[in-house]
Amino acid sequence: AQSVTQPDIHITVSEGASLELRCNYSYGATPYLFWYVQSPGQGLQLLLKYFSGDTLVQGIKGFEAEFKRSQSSFNLRKPSVHWSDAAEYFCAVGPSGGYQKVTFGIGTKLQVIP
Amino acid sequence: NAGVTQTPKFQVLKTGQSMTLQCAQDMNHNSMYWYRQDPGMGLRLIYYSASEGTTDKGEVPNGYNVSRLNKREFSLRLESAAPSQTSVYFCASSEINGNTIYFGEGSWLTVV
Repeated sequence: AQSVTQPDIHITVSEGASLELRCNYSYGATPYLFWYVQSPGQGLQLLLKYFSGDTLVQGIKGFEAEFKRSQSSFNLRKPSVHWSDAAEYFCAVGPSGGYQKVTFGIGTKLQVIP
Repeated sequence: NAGVTQTPKFQVLKTGQSMTLQCAQDMNHNSMYWYRQDPGMGLRLIYYSASEGTTDKGEVPNGYNVSRLNKREFSLRLESAAPSQTSVYFCASSEINGNTIYFGEGSWLTVV
């Protein structure tokens, strides 16, 4: 069965500092991987996704993620965090092709301090 | 650009009451989903509809029913609400062969 692990439930970073949110997955075939962001009181918004090709994926709001098959990881990064990035971030994995059944991680809550 | 629209946004129910959460999408997507979000549990799939006329159970279907009314609309019904169903519910949609889910803004449900 597919699964996603986000080992950090809470992360606090200073504004302007770099950020890395960890995501490890378990999937039997080629995974489709996603990062979503959820601002307080809002739904989930897609930040970026990886299907194939270049393992470094660029997303919205200056985020990027790198797919590392050997480590079963898809970590999210941002070189300089802004206060508006404070939110909860979800990693997700799904099957390739067909209708989608996506498994979400439990989320990492990001706090940004001035 | 409405995307996925859910109603109501907030609801308080008494144990045993019934209610229906409504969801509509205007992206012409074939597939629709209902998730619940609980602290420390992430998002868990309740039911999904791969295409109009079909529905399937997800990870946590007990206590819920769904109706795919047409291609646009997918409703979630709680027949007899229980405190364990206190949660935030998200509707979502995607293309049937697509791999990106688009979410509504959520419905906060409290069962007392």
